[in-house]
Amino acid sequence: EAQVTQNPRYLITVTGKKLTVTCSQNMNHEYMSWYRQDPGLGLRQIYYSMNVEVTDKGDVPEGYKVSRKEKRNFPLILESPSPNQTSLYFCASSFADRITEAFFGQGTRLTVV
Amino acid sequence: DQQVKQNSPSLSVQEGRISILNCDYTNSMFDYFLWYKKYPAEGPTFLISISSIKDKNEDGRFTVFLNKSAKHLSLHIVPSQPGDSAVYFCAATGNQFYFGTGTSLTVIP
Repeated sequence: EAQVTQNPRYLITVTGKKLTVTCSQNMNHEYMSWYRQDPGLGLRQIYYSMNVEVTDKGDVPEGYKVSRKEKRNFPLILESPSPNQTSLYFCASSFADRITEAFFGQGTRLTVV
Repeated sequence: DQQVKQNSPSLSVQEGRISILNCDYTNSMFDYFLWYKKYPAEGPTFLISISSIKDKNEDGRFTVFLNKSAKHLSLHIVPSQPGDSAVYFCAATGNQFYFGTGTSLTVIP
């Protein structure tokens, strides 16, 4: 089954404790991206990657890192999480020539206390 | 500053009637515009898109209209069904995606 898998689905952590949210897709998609969804702000793009070893900042990259060492994986790294990074995070993937038709993961709800 | 705006947070429509969801944008350089649908506890799912060189795209009950001079797009759902009840996000893209804040559609049986 074609899917984008995020882990974990829920996470509560403390300020400053490094964490990684994993994202994996099985559709051989070139394009992958991360979003955060906040009330009243909709979905905002954090980082995106057009292919392996190619990453670019989205609208709200501060406080986040990503890597794209393999085509299928695109982890989101919070080196020193802060409470303002409490949010619902989505990973998405698509073919590079059809990035409008993105498949989204189910989301990761992160709470930083 | 929000580059894509959905000014109506919610919309209620009777089953069988037309639902019209609206979206405005500020950047005339966007290549594509799209609509995503989101149910609670799930990720958004792609619904329909339109290229900036077109003014209409239709897929079954869903039609998207683009008015470039007004920097406005709309999604028409006809006839509306209770299963259409969800949050709808419009988005615009070049390489980067910009999403609106969403409109929660409720279709009343």
